[in-house]
Amino acid sequence: AQTVTQSQPEMSVQEAETVTLSCTYDTSESNYYLFWYKQPPSRQMILVIRQEAYKQQNATENRFSVNFQKAAKSFSLKISDSQLGDTAMYFCAFMFPQTSYDKVIFGPGTSLSVIP
Amino acid sequence: EAGVAQSPRYKIIEKRQSVAFWCNPISGHATLYWYQQILGQGPKLLIQFQNNGVVDDSQLPKDRFSAERLKGVDSTLKIQPAKLEDSAVYLCASSPWGGPDRVPPGKAFFGQGTRLTVV
Repeated sequence: AQTVTQSQPEMSVQEAETVTLSCTYDTSESNYYLFWYKQPPSRQMILVIRQEAYKQQNATENRFSVNFQKAAKSFSLKISDSQLGDTAMYFCAFMFPQTSYDKVIFGPGTSLSVIP
Repeated sequence: EAGVAQSPRYKIIEKRQSVAFWCNPISGHATLYWYQQILGQGPKLLIQFQNNGVVDDSQLPKDRFSAERLKGVDSTLKIQPAKLEDSAVYLCASSPWGGPDRVPPGKAFFGQGTRLTVV
């Protein structure tokens, strides 16, 4: 069975500093996608970054980057120059294809607080 | 493009009452998901539609929950009768289907959710 684990329930970081959120997953699939979603208090789930498993190059989106270690099944998110608006729940998610649809599994989340 | 629309935003009901949630996905998205998110936890998939067919409802409490997707577009999720433990945020999401070659790769878009409180 596929599972997603986030071992840090809560984290905090000083404004302008860098923080790394951890995610590990378990799968026997070879073709899949990994995502980090941000959920602020408004509850709107926002896609932060996406990584295709077949790509060795780590994805980056402005201040957000990932460290994708396929052999270790690890997918961490690094937030540089943290801003107050980054305060939110962050969910790691794993999408893998079935015959005719994609299946998505979410981790339990990490609550990030950015401190002024 | 317009996002995923959900209504209502909030709902308070007494236990044993019934409730329904509505979701309008992004136009053209073949896949529609309903998630239950209990406070402090990650979203749990309740049911997934591919067009108007159910592809995964393994975690849907079928004795009280039901869902349908009319004509492969809008969807409703119903709870009847509600229990206290059903208090949660119900999220709807949709994604395009890229076919077996995954072109383009899948990406889910979420609505703002409905916060249900059962008292």
